Amino acid sequence: EDQVTQSPEALRLQEGESSSLNCSYTVSGLRGLFWYRQDPGKGPEFLFTLYSAGEEKEKERLKATLTKKESFLHITAPKPEDSATYLCAAGGYGGSQGNLIFGKGTKLSVKP
Amino acid sequence: EAGVTQFPSHSVIEKGQTVTLRCDPISGHDNLYWYRRVMGKEIKFLLHFVKESKQDESGMPNNRFLAERTGGTYSTLKVQPAELEDSGVYFCASSQGSSGNTIYFGEGSWLTVV
Repeated sequence: EDQVTQSPEALRLQEGESSSLNCSYTVSGLRGLFWYRQDPGKGPEFLFTLYSAGEEKEKERLKATLTKKESFLHITAPKPEDSATYLCAAGGYGGSQGNLIFGKGTKLSVKP
Repeated sequence: EAGVTQFPSHSVIEKGQTVTLRCDPISGHDNLYWYRRVMGKEIKFLLHFVKESKQDESGMPNNRFLAERTGGTYSTLKVQPAELEDSGVYFCASSQGSSGNTIYFGEGSWLTVV
């Protein structure tokens, strides 16, 4: 069964304290691995798509990496405005485009 | 450019009533998706339209849910009759072109069935 598991469920960091969020996935042929940011009461905001093992993408303080079994979202020197829930989703060739399997998310809090 | 817009943003209805949620995708996006998240659970896929055709409706929970996309523009998701377990947030999303393209989400429609 296709599955996405994110850890930790919650993460508290001090401003400037770098860390990583984990996303483990099991899908039948990976079509794409997506990272989204979600603020309270808002919809998911797209961050990255990764397609193959070894791929890396960066945006400001965020860097996403992908292996055959998991993806990491590295946060370097986070700021309070990085506080949000980060969602990982995997799309497999067993389903149609957009038939994404979401994890439950990691709630990140960055304290000044 | 306007993003994915959803109406209403919040709705409270009684069990047994009907609710219709509307989604306007980003202009020019042929692909439109519906997802939902019920309390404490992860976001789950409901269905996918390509223009006016249903490409994949494998995530629709039961026949109380009816999705339409007349003319390949906006879409509606009707729940009739609503049950307590239908409470949650319903997200609409859209994307352009074929597989792998970025999927953009709306703010969601929060449904509470009492």
